[in-house]
Amino acid sequence: ETGVTQTPRHLVMGMTNKKSLKCEQHLGHNAMYWYKQSAKKPLELMFVYNFKEQTENNSVPSRFSPECPNSSHLFLHLHTLQPEDSALYLCASSQDFKSAGANVLTFGAGSRLTVL
Amino acid sequence: AQKVTQAQTEISVVEKEDVTLDCVYETRDTTYYLFWYKQPPSGELVFLIRRNSFDEQNEISGRYSWNFQKSTSSFNFTITASQVVDSAVYFCALSSPNSGYALNFGKGTSLLVTP
Repeated sequence: ETGVTQTPRHLVMGMTNKKSLKCEQHLGHNAMYWYKQSAKKPLELMFVYNFKEQTENNSVPSRFSPECPNSSHLFLHLHTLQPEDSALYLCASSQDFKSAGANVLTFGAGSRLTVL
Repeated sequence: AQKVTQAQTEISVVEKEDVTLDCVYETRDTTYYLFWYKQPPSGELVFLIRRNSFDEQNEISGRYSWNFQKSTSSFNFTITASQVVDSAVYFCALSSPNSGYALNFGKGTSLLVTP
């Protein structure tokens, strides 16, 4: 248990469904991240929230919609996904962002998403 | 632009062998940070080490050691006397103040240690 909890661990959805991924951390961290891990590709940073404010959006399609209601919770809302969106989605947190403290990320175990 | 290259996609060794995972990086920044993370089959990435660009001292932690060489832009990771529990995917990563401290990961090296 790393201190970052992701649910669900596995999700299968059709292209027309709407679902959400949830991430929770109780480490007292102020920055939270969504990463996408696809086979044979480097981890891709999707979104960063620092003190509940979105600071990074790396050209992610609008069918992915993040939400950070507080520093401990992060959601990734999914709608009208494509089969190529199937991947492992990893949540991470760090002390803060845009400082050396941002470097050391604590990751969750990921949510394995399959889009049919 | 920053880039991390882990040329070894998969490595297979027998238990108790030593194994070195290679990492080569590219950056124009003079201040930067290098990392290694381990991803076991359970999925979560586990932080192993962080080094800054001004500290080229090699580091040893138990069976793990890291060799940082700025001259060759490499930050290699050696596991001595490997064990089955070392089987995982290992990622090298790079960040810098100029990139907003965002981590740039390599594609990872999958290490399989067999009994």
